[in-house]
Amino acid sequence: SQTIHQWPATLVQPVGSPLSLECTVEGTSNPNLYWYRQAAGRGLQLLFYSVGIGQISSEVPQNLSASRPQDRQFILSSKKLLLSDSGFYLCASRTGANTEAFFGQGTRLTVV
Amino acid sequence: DQQVKQNSPSLSVQEGRISILNCDYTNSMFDYFLWYKKYPAEGPTFLISISSIKDKNEDGRFTVFLNKSAKHLSLHIVPSQPGDSAVYFCAASRDYKLSFGAGTTVTVRA
Repeated sequence: SQTIHQWPATLVQPVGSPLSLECTVEGTSNPNLYWYRQAAGRGLQLLFYSVGIGQISSEVPQNLSASRPQDRQFILSSKKLLLSDSGFYLCASRTGANTEAFFGQGTRLTVV
Repeated sequence: DQQVKQNSPSLSVQEGRISILNCDYTNSMFDYFLWYKKYPAEGPTFLISISSIKDKNEDGRFTVFLNKSAKHLSLHIVPSQPGDSAVYFCAASRDYKLSFGAGTTVTVRA
């Protein structure tokens, strides 16, 4: 099975500061990669997904961007954080369309 | 646009009884469905899945039922155990996109 590494586990950032969350995957190659956000008391909102290096699909217009510089690396970024960017960010990986997704342990981001 | 809906935010069930979680979807192009379990401050873990060509899939205490005409699926947990207390997410997939519902919090009472 796959192992998804996410860091940091928690992060407190001031409004207007930049953000970079990194996700790396072990145990597979050419995965489909995903970034989700869970706001307090809410479900999992799909933010971005990627089917290959440099290929990013954005689901929700927002203050965030994603990049995939290597096959098993997925990065979530922001140039200037907003209070509304607070939440629990999860990276996930799948080997194909009709397969299960494996999740990392998540990053709790608090924007103050 | 919420294409996967879990209309019950919470469910309380007695230990040993059946837990039934429901999920509805609006996109008829979804062809693969999954259930996940999540504890606080952790990533979701996969429970069970079903392809759109089937109407039932069973794995131990977990059974998923799919009604394509109603665009509805359900997860049955029998018997419910204290360790089942968690948030359960329904997910639906079309090609590479994987969409989740809002989740149902299950509490198993002793």
